[in-house]
This record gives sequence, C-alpha cells and structure tokens, in this order.
Amino acid sequence: EVQLVESGGTLVKPGGSLRVSCAASGFSFSDHGMNWVRQAPGKGLEWVAYISSSGNTIYYAHSVEGRFTMSRDIARNSVYLQMSSLTAEDTAVYYCARQVMYVRENQLYYYALDVWGQGTSVTVSS
Amino acid sequence: DIQMTQSPSSLSASVGDTVTITCRASQNILSHLNWYQQKSGKAPNLLISVASTLQRGVPSRFSGSGSGTDFTLTITSLQPEDFATYFCQQSYSPLPYTFGQGTKLEIK
Repeated sequence: EVQLVESGGTLVKPGGSLRVSCAASGFSFSDHGMNWVRQAPGKGLEWVAYISSSGNTIYYAHSVEGRFTMSRDIARNSVYLQMSSLTAEDTAVYYCARQVMYVRENQLYYYALDVWGQGTSVTVSS
Repeated sequence: DIQMTQSPSSLSASVGDTVTITCRASQNILSHLNWYQQKSGKAPNLLISVASTLQRGVPSRFSGSGSGTDFTLTITSLQPEDFATYFCQQSYSPLPYTFGQGTKLEIK
C-alpha cells in the first residue's frame, strides 16, 4: 500500500523550533519529488516546500524561506521539515505529499500531488 | 506568483444536482491545473490532473475542463459522499504552487 505517515507535530512556543517527519512506504521513494503543504485551522491549503527526487533541488514558499529547511533521507524513505523562528501564523496541519509527473503531447511535463499523508498538527502558542 | 481565484466559496446543492466550480488563474497556465477533494478532518485527495484527466478510481460524474486561465470542475448527479471542500491548484513552473481558496459544497 502506498502510504505517507507524518509525525512530530506538537505545541511549541513562539520563536521555537520543531522538526516534522514523513515516512514513505509502498512505492519507489527515490523516484518522486516530495512536498510539504500546510493548512491553518479553518483555512485553505498553502504549499510550503518541495524537494526533488535526488534532493538536489529545494524550493520554499516566500512565507517560510530562511526559517524552514526541507530535507530527505533516501535510506530511511523519509522527508523532513525543520522549522525555526516559529510564529502563530505557522500554526497548521502539515501534510507531506508525493509529486507525480505526467508527460503529455509535445513532451510537456505536468505535475500533481497524488498521495498525501494524514497530516501532523503544529501549534505555536505561549 | 500565480494567483488562483476560485468561485463560489460555498455552494448548497441537493443529491442528484449538477454543480460547477470555477477557478481562474492570474496568468496563462496552459493545462497545469489540478483539482482536489477534501473531506472534513481528512487529507486532500487528487481528483483531476492536467485540467481534465480523472484519477483512477474517481467516479465519472466528476469532470474537469478548461485551459489557459479559466477552468471548471463539474459534478453531475451529486451523491452524499460528494459533499466536501474542493480546491484547485496550479502546477505551472516555476514554483511556488498555489491553491484556490476552496469551495465548500454543502447539502441543501
């Protein structure tokens, strides 16, 4: 079964740090880019970060750049999101999501997030 | 960054109805548009990719159309399990990906 399982979410004080993890199983982990997407309480979805299949390319949302670091461990089939200088605005459920690529006519590449974990809740509060 | 404007933000309908949700991109994104369904307390689920390609296992009452800047998600013959929140997402390079603000589909 293809599965992503997040962990590590908890209550953290403003200005604090936290690392959340995502363990993948049931598919060839090294073939896929991975993403973190978050959802604040009662709000919509916000893409946070992306890491390529090799780990060599990483992108961040403007709102977290310089504070969050995404990484992956091929041996452990896991991705991580190290978060620092946390504020109340970072309170959210954090989902990891597998990226899938489709090739269409004219060799155009399309991407989607086809497998999601159940999410891990991060609350930033004093 | 590309902005995605989704409408309506909420929608009431009855079982058996047909509904349409629209999503507009702030620039041409060709067909780099995906639709997700999210049920309360659950993770999003990919329904449609590349604007109109139904994911395996998704019922055929769901359909997507559009290209460029204007896209639609249509659900025909609504079933009780379809009442959820729907998000569009653009995946046009380069990152960041952006989502629409969501459409909550409720039972009338």
